Amino acid sequence: DVKVTQSSRYLVKRTGEKVFLECVQDMDHENMFWYRQDPGLGLRLIYFSYDVKMKEKGDIPEGYSVSREKKERFSLILESASTNQTSMYLCASRPGTGGNQPQHFGDGTRLSIL
Amino acid sequence: AQSVTQPDIHITVSEGASLELRCNYSYGATPYLFWYVQSPGQGLQLLLKYFSGDTLVQGIKGFEAEFKRSQSSFNLRKPSVHWSDAAEYFCAVGAYFGNEKLTFGTGTRLTIIP
Repeated sequence: DVKVTQSSRYLVKRTGEKVFLECVQDMDHENMFWYRQDPGLGLRLIYFSYDVKMKEKGDIPEGYSVSREKKERFSLILESASTNQTSMYLCASRPGTGGNQPQHFGDGTRLSIL
Repeated sequence: AQSVTQPDIHITVSEGASLELRCNYSYGATPYLFWYVQSPGQGLQLLLKYFSGDTLVQGIKGFEAEFKRSQSSFNLRKPSVHWSDAAEYFCAVGAYFGNEKLTFGTGTRLTIIP
């Protein structure tokens, strides 16, 4: 089974802090994704990466950046956290070939910005 | 661009009753369609997927879904729900050619009453 591991289940940070959310997958998947999930809005794509050091903006990239230095690891960075970034963050991965491959999700990080 | 509509925000069903969750999609070509389930505090788990071929697909946990091109629908069904099926359910559509992104619906929360 694919294992996608997010480093923290719960995280509390302060406004203005630089925040790192880490995600690791163990299946050598080329593609990795970061979503945020908010009630009534479903999942919205922040960024995705289709290869090491490659990234592409999703639907809501403002206020976020990402890093992918190794194939198995994809980091989401909040450069200067704000209260409107309080949310559930979900990481996912999938193989690189073909749109019919499902995404596999981690358990999520619930981030609170105070 | 693709889009997904889940018209029911919240559904309540008695244990043992049948279930149908609605999903309508918009996409100009052949879509890839997915249903995911999210238990409280957890990530998303894939229930089933449709790519092509037989329009009735079987998934895990006794779920099935039927693709109806004429209605742009991919409704999820289960003949008899169990209390453990209480969760949030997300429908998602993926593009056919090379676009690695999924577009998710806003979800349907399922409550099971004894």
